Amino acid sequence: AQSVSQHNHHVILSEAASLELGCNYSYGGTVNLFWYVQYPGQHLQLLLKYFSGDPLVKGIKGFEAEFIKSKFSFNLRKPSVQWSDTAEYFCAAGRSNDYKLSFGAGTTVTVRA
Amino acid sequence: EPEVTQTPSHQVTQMGQEVILRCVPISNHLYFYWYRQILGQKVEFLVSFYNNEISEKSEIFDDQFSVERPDGSNFTLKIRSTKLEDSAMYFCASSLQGTPLHFGNGTRLTVT
Repeated sequence: AQSVSQHNHHVILSEAASLELGCNYSYGGTVNLFWYVQYPGQHLQLLLKYFSGDPLVKGIKGFEAEFIKSKFSFNLRKPSVQWSDTAEYFCAAGRSNDYKLSFGAGTTVTVRA
Repeated sequence: EPEVTQTPSHQVTQMGQEVILRCVPISNHLYFYWYRQILGQKVEFLVSFYNNEISEKSEIFDDQFSVERPDGSNFTLKIRSTKLEDSAMYFCASSLQGTPLHFGNGTRLTVT
């Protein structure tokens, strides 16, 4: 069965620290990968997506993610976090042309000023 | 930027009652979805809807659930007879073919 796993449940950082959130998926074939962010009290927003091409994907707000096919991974990174990055981050995956997504459990990121 | 809007933001209902959760997808989108997130658990797919019919549904989406697009703008999820375990955050989403899902703010459903 298709699934997405996120390695960390809760990450606490100081401002300016670097962030890396792990995501692994178990899908056969071609897969579309996404990171969504949910700020407190707000809706899920797309941070970045990977469909094909360059495996290093740049998203909004300075985030990037790297697709490593051999490791079935799509880790999210940000070199220097801000207090406003405090949110819950969800990795999601779906087959090409299938918009039913499987979500990871989410990682809560708390950035301390 | 256009958004998916959901109403109400919070709905409290008694077990056994019917509830309707409302969504207005982005106007030119063609695919519509409902997902839910039980507190502390993963976001789960419920149903997808395209061309005025359900295109796929999960095991969760049993006979107690139904979806409808009653007019050109709204997309509703009805739970016929709510159970305690239906308490969750329900997210509506929409997309064009080949684009990511855009999610609404969610409706928090509390069944007492």
